[in-house]
Amino acid sequence: AQSVTQLGSHVSVSEGALVLLRCNYSSSVPPYLFWYVQYPNQGLQLLLKYTSAATLVKGINGFEAEFKKSETSFHLTKPSAHMSDAAEYFCAVTQNAGGTSYGKLTFGQGTILTVHP
Amino acid sequence: DTAVSQTPKYLVTQMGNDKSIKCEQNLGHDTMYWYKQDSKKFLKIMFSYNNKELIINETVPNRFSPKSPDKAHLNLHINSLELGDSAVYFCASSLRLAGPQETQYFGPGTRLLVL
Repeated sequence: AQSVTQLGSHVSVSEGALVLLRCNYSSSVPPYLFWYVQYPNQGLQLLLKYTSAATLVKGINGFEAEFKKSETSFHLTKPSAHMSDAAEYFCAVTQNAGGTSYGKLTFGQGTILTVHP
Repeated sequence: DTAVSQTPKYLVTQMGNDKSIKCEQNLGHDTMYWYKQDSKKFLKIMFSYNNKELIINETVPNRFSPKSPDKAHLNLHINSLELGDSAVYFCASSLRLAGPQETQYFGPGTRLLVL
């Protein structure tokens, strides 16, 4: 079984401040982890993914995330927030467990990021 | 060019009606998915198809019937619509089903409101 918990349904930061969005996962086998961003009235766009290579993953728009097995975490960070980063962010997990688990992304409930001028 | 497109973008209908949502991808992908995002923004997979073959069916009521006429299309037909079907439905595709690291590309969503 797999699950994702995103701590904090809303995060508010000032422009230029550090962005930290938290994600913890549960997986019975080594996980594959993803962060997606959803802008208002749009579909989800992949920010970055962890696929068991480097534990520090760099994505688009200056975001990065670090896989920490000991903490079962995959937190998303960005050193300096822009107004354009305001959106909803989803963490997701899947497993290489074969069969019908293929392609089965399990999503967290999302974190809305607000950026203040 | 839109990679994954859905029609319609908005759908308002009465309880008991039957409706369809269409999805097309022009990425040449083998695998397509339907997700439901409820009012609390919780996203959950409903179906996946690989080369027109059903792979995942996540305990979805049989009022929901996906149809894949070819690899580039995965349509969702819903019979006897209920209030609880109101949600945003997202279509997605990936190059292949082979590995969990495959990136899924999402369409813009169809906002369904059942009155």
